[in-house]
Formats: sequence, C-alpha cells, structure tokens
Amino acid sequence: GAGVSQSPRYKVTKRGQDVTLRCDPISSHATLYWYQQALGQGPEFLTYFNYEAQPDKSGLPSDRFSAERPEGSISTLTIQRTEQRDSAMYRCASSRGQQETQYFGPGTRLLVL
Amino acid sequence: AQSVTQLDSQVPVFEEAPVELRCNYSSSVSVYLFWYVQYPNQGLQLLLKYLSGSTLVKGINGFEAEFNKSQTSFHLRKPSVHISDTAEYFCAVSDLPGGSYIPTFGRGTSLIVHP
Repeated sequence: GAGVSQSPRYKVTKRGQDVTLRCDPISSHATLYWYQQALGQGPEFLTYFNYEAQPDKSGLPSDRFSAERPEGSISTLTIQRTEQRDSAMYRCASSRGQQETQYFGPGTRLLVL
Repeated sequence: AQSVTQLDSQVPVFEEAPVELRCNYSSSVSVYLFWYVQYPNQGLQLLLKYLSGSTLVKGINGFEAEFNKSQTSFHLRKPSVHISDTAEYFCAVSDLPGGSYIPTFGRGTSLIVHP
C-alpha cells in the first residue's frame, strides 16, 4: 500500500476484555515494529518482526501482550485481560530493512475503562 | 543502555522567528540520531537523520540539526518558522553495529507557532 495503515483508529474497551490491533505495513517492507506511546511520552518499543520472524520481544510489558505476523505482511497486536494502564496510543512502523528509515502509521488509541 | 533527553516539553515562538529544539543523548557506543515530527492525528514522519559524515544534517521543511559528539547533543533548528510547523517533535537515538538498531525516543517537544 501507499503507507502504513492501522485499525481501528480508536478502541474503547472494558477492563478484562481482550483487544486485537491490526497493522498493514508498506507492501515491500520486511521489518515491522510495534510501539506503545503513553500520553505525554515518546513511543516505547514493544517488539519487531523481520518478515514472520520475531527476533525481539523484550519490550512487551507482560505476557498479556502478544504479536503475530504469520505471513510476513499484516501484523496483529493482542492484549489479553486489558487493564487501565494499557490505555495508550499503539503505533506500528515498517521499514525495508532493520537499518532503514521507519515509516509510521497513524496509530490506534486504546482506552480501557 | 541508550537514553534521550528533550529538555523542553513546550516551545512557544512567533511566526518567522528562529527556533531551536534541544536534544541530548547518552549511549556507550556510536549512534544514529533522528528527529521525527508528529502533526495532529498523523503518524510520526522522519525530519532528518544523522548516520555518519558531516555533523550538520539538513532535513525536510527547512529544518537542520547538528551532531555534537563532545556535548552528546543533536539540537534541531529552523531559521524562520511557519504556523504549519506547529507539531510535536521527537528526538531518537539508535545504537550502531553491536546494538539493536531499535530507536529510543525522547518525550517530545511541542512546538507552538503563534501568528
């Protein structure tokens, strides 16, 4: 596609519910990143993929967070049993390779009530 | 471990005035440095990056930044700002070979340009 897209743009959920966020990267890009951005903060790294491989999950805050990219293109980030502290903007970015410029999507704003 | 400090959370300035947004970093190895801009309701967009070579880096929209290794700084400058430059600006650092290339972002500086 022309740019990185994310859906939904906004998600409101109740505490304890599971949510799945989607990222559709630029079609030629091998590398995909997920970030969490709290209000008033910069993006913080969660995890990344090279095609379908997930070399680094060190930024995932707990085992309630997981991400997939099964066919090396679209990726999903799932948060199980959401908590209020999970409320944030979740950003996806893609790049041609790991050392290349990252292109960011518009983000999904998650609010956990 | 790498870290980034953006000293100003908000910078108000009048249109056509010069502006400098400050960024300091800490890292035990050589680094790549970046400035991103985030306009309202949009994703982050790369303004400029320093990888190697000349310490003065020119980016889009008339912005430039200077890498100062001795002061571990990468301040962003523009000689004359426009209303349309109102946005959030993020400085980021990424470790070079041996590191992960995953950028660490600062907290952001909100540039507010007044008419």
